[in-house]
Amino acid sequence: DVKVTQSSRYLVKRTGEKVFLECVQDMDHENMFWYRQDPGLGLRLIYFSYDVKMKEKGDIPEGYSVSREKKERFSLILESASTNQTSMYLCASSETSGGPGKTQYFGPGTRLLVL
Amino acid sequence: GNSVTQMEGPVTLSEEAFLTINCTYTATGYPSLFWYVQYPGEGLQLLLKATKADDKGSNKGFEATYRKETTSFHLEKGSVQVSDSAVYFCALSDRGSSNTGKLIFGQGTTLQVKP
Repeated sequence: DVKVTQSSRYLVKRTGEKVFLECVQDMDHENMFWYRQDPGLGLRLIYFSYDVKMKEKGDIPEGYSVSREKKERFSLILESASTNQTSMYLCASSETSGGPGKTQYFGPGTRLLVL
Repeated sequence: GNSVTQMEGPVTLSEEAFLTINCTYTATGYPSLFWYVQYPGEGLQLLLKATKADDKGSNKGFEATYRKETTSFHLEKGSVQVSDSAVYFCALSDRGSSNTGKLIFGQGTTLQVKP
């Protein structure tokens, strides 16, 4: 079975802290994504990666960075956490081959509270 | 730019009622269209998809037809169950994103089914 795991389900951090969110997939997928989910706004793409060490900004990259040193792992970094980064963070992966209509597989999400 | 618009929620129905969740999109060319579902406390999972005009996606009693002329992909189910209570997201992937699988999501529609 396809699996995407995220390192924490819930996190509480203080303003100014550096925060690491980890995501691991076991499907050998090339593409990985980080979204944040906020009520009434749906999912918004923060960053995505299409290969090891390759990344592209999504729609809301400000205040975030990412790292992909291995194919199966994609990390989201909040350099200096702020209260407006309190949100649900979702990781996903998809393959490159197979034509249009690729399915994204999601992790369970990390609910982050920044105090 | 590309966008997806869903009907506002929450939608509250009694068990065995008919469900429609409206979704319209704006995109150039011929995008692929998706419905994802998020059950309480979980990440998103693919419910169904369609990759070309007039295709019908179906799964678990849910259906949606890709209507190019009305740029719509409305989700329907003939008889909902309490277990269908979840948040439903409409999404599109344009042809330019066919390798990366990047998705653009609507804002989500919460469905609550009462016994």
